[in-house]
Amino acid sequence: GENVEQHPSTLSVQEGDSAVIKCTYSDSASNYFPWYKQELGKRPQLIIDIRSNVGEKKDQRIAVTLNKTAKHFSLHITETQPEDSAVYFCAARDSGTYKYIFGTGTRLKVLA
Amino acid sequence: KAGVTQTPRYLIKTRGQQVTLSCSPISGHRSVSWYQQTPGQGLQFLFEYFSETQRNKGNFPGRFSGRQFSNSRSEMNVSTLELGDSALYLCASSLAGGTNQETQYFGPGTRLLVL
Repeated sequence: GENVEQHPSTLSVQEGDSAVIKCTYSDSASNYFPWYKQELGKRPQLIIDIRSNVGEKKDQRIAVTLNKTAKHFSLHITETQPEDSAVYFCAARDSGTYKYIFGTGTRLKVLA
Repeated sequence: KAGVTQTPRYLIKTRGQQVTLSCSPISGHRSVSWYQQTPGQGLQFLFEYFSETQRNKGNFPGRFSGRQFSNSRSEMNVSTLELGDSALYLCASSLAGGTNQETQYFGPGTRLLVL
């Protein structure tokens, strides 16, 4: 069945460094890939998304890249700040069923 | 627009009881999905409702059920509660499903504790 693998499960970086989180999906029919940030005790919040007809998208310090051939997409955060500390989830959505499959999450810690 | 709301926010139940959780989507959104979140398990998809019909279903036992009303509000029910059902239950709504209408917005969740 559909599966989304997310790595790493935890990531610690120094403030100001970059962080990269990678996801791999199995369903070639997936065409929409959102990334969510979940702070402790709060709901997941969409931070960036990308559709299958685009290879890269940026929003200030955040960027997402998509490689459809390899079926993987990555989240890049540059100049990390302590407030970037949270759990990040990737997801893939099937274009036919509209079903979302989420990765297992990455706990990012930005050390001041 | 008001965001996705969920009630109640917290629940304590005992094994064997049943529980009903409610989700009100963003106005105009017709798709509501439910997820179970437990530590270390990420977001497990339960089911999705669109226009009062279950459109997708995850791999949960039949004790988990849901429905959607004509105003797009959704409820999920868990019968014969087990200790392992303790989790944060999140709902998310989206416009419909087609291109440029996929974005899901999450509610604050209902935290269920089964004793």
